[in-house]
Amino acid sequence: GESVGLHLPTLSVQEGDNSIINCAYSNSASDYFIWYKQESGKGPQFIIDIRSNMDKRQGQRVTVLLNKTVKHLSLQIAATQPGDSAVYFCAETRPRGQNFVFGPGTRLSVLP
Amino acid sequence: EAGVAQSPRYKIIEKRQSVAFWCNPISGHATLYWYQQILGQGPKLLIQFQNNGVVDDSQLPKDRFSAERLKGVDSTLKIQPAKLEDSAMYLCASSPAPRQGNFNYEQYFGPGTRLTVT
Repeated sequence: GESVGLHLPTLSVQEGDNSIINCAYSNSASDYFIWYKQESGKGPQFIIDIRSNMDKRQGQRVTVLLNKTVKHLSLQIAATQPGDSAVYFCAETRPRGQNFVFGPGTRLSVLP
Repeated sequence: EAGVAQSPRYKIIEKRQSVAFWCNPISGHATLYWYQQILGQGPKLLIQFQNNGVVDDSQLPKDRFSAERLKGVDSTLKIQPAKLEDSAMYLCASSPAPRQGNFNYEQYFGPGTRLTVT
């Protein structure tokens, strides 16, 4: 079936460097995408979202890029900090907020 | 603002037993979701409620799983009988009803219930 996937299961970065986490989606009908951060033993926490009529959205230290041509989503974290260590999930949803589909996740490890 | 509450936080049962999870969403949130998250995987949507109606339950194993949200507020998820492969984290999330022209479907997650089936 259709799914949201990730290119890299794990990512290690040095503290202070920028991180890029990638995600591929397969359903061109998806019109809303979200990045979540999940720390061990906790529920996912919203980071940033983007609608399909946008190609870039910025938050505090985070930027999400959407390339609908190749069905690709990325999350950029600037000046990565130890507190950023977690598993990051992308999720997509079809119109009207139905059928949320999460990707398998990427574990980000920040090295001192 | 209080977050999404879930109980219990942990549950250990034997296979073929029954178990129920409870969720109290953020006040005023119309949409409630139940997810199953197997260790090392992303959350999988089991059921989505809009107020007290079911929007999507296509991935709910209906032969053993059931969920209800009778008054459009609290919700319970039940498994009967449990199988070993049901061992997972069960996450509840809620989101406000989207306003016209607003595509914000941000979900607020609870801490989850860790179920172990032995």
